[in-house]
Amino acid sequence: GAVVSQHPSRVICKSGTSVKIECRSLDFQATTMFWYRQFPKKSLMLMATSNEGSKATYEQGVEKDKFLINHASLTLSTLTVTSAHPEDSSFYICSAGKQGYQTQYFGPGTRLLVL
Amino acid sequence: RKEVEQDPGPFNVPEGATVAFNCTYSNSASQSFFWYRQDCRKEPKLLMSVYSSGNEDGRFTAQLNRASQYISLLIRDSKLSDSATYLCVVEGGGFKTIFGAGTRLFVKA
Repeated sequence: GAVVSQHPSRVICKSGTSVKIECRSLDFQATTMFWYRQFPKKSLMLMATSNEGSKATYEQGVEKDKFLINHASLTLSTLTVTSAHPEDSSFYICSAGKQGYQTQYFGPGTRLLVL
Repeated sequence: RKEVEQDPGPFNVPEGATVAFNCTYSNSASQSFFWYRQDCRKEPKLLMSVYSSGNEDGRFTAQLNRASQYISLLIRDSKLSDSATYLCVVEGGGFKTIFGAGTRLFVKA
């Protein structure tokens, strides 16, 4: 199997606070993990590609200082939304790929609501 | 032109119907193609990969037409449980993944 978990599944925070979301590959090593966000009734938008042991690659228009990504091990990547604002409220999903395979396995997602 | 385009639907079909979705992509260098299914407020789940020779998995058939740059998904004998959003996914080299906006399907009794 290929299981990816995310924590927390749901978070509500005040504007100005920072929120950390964890993405873990439970039964395989993921050299590459991806972070997406999805607005209601919209498709997934790739935010960044996270490679273990190196800096993340951000998509155009995504602020790297706003969305901090750390991929410290082959099974864990974290996304920190810094100084969150209401417009950051969204569904954040991570995915991980097994080395040598194109298929991505998605985490269950994290719903962020910033008040 | 969007990199990956899908008809957003919704497609409303009765149980037992056959329904087909198309998806076009703009980058002729794209290498891998997939259909994902996403239920409401859930993460996408891989439905099937798409190969040039076409592939079938039970009631689902996927086709790739490289010359015309589109992929298709055919669902036969639709079930209520098939109601979902179907995402077309195109990958270039190095895991560069582009998602279509999705096609919503409602199967009614």
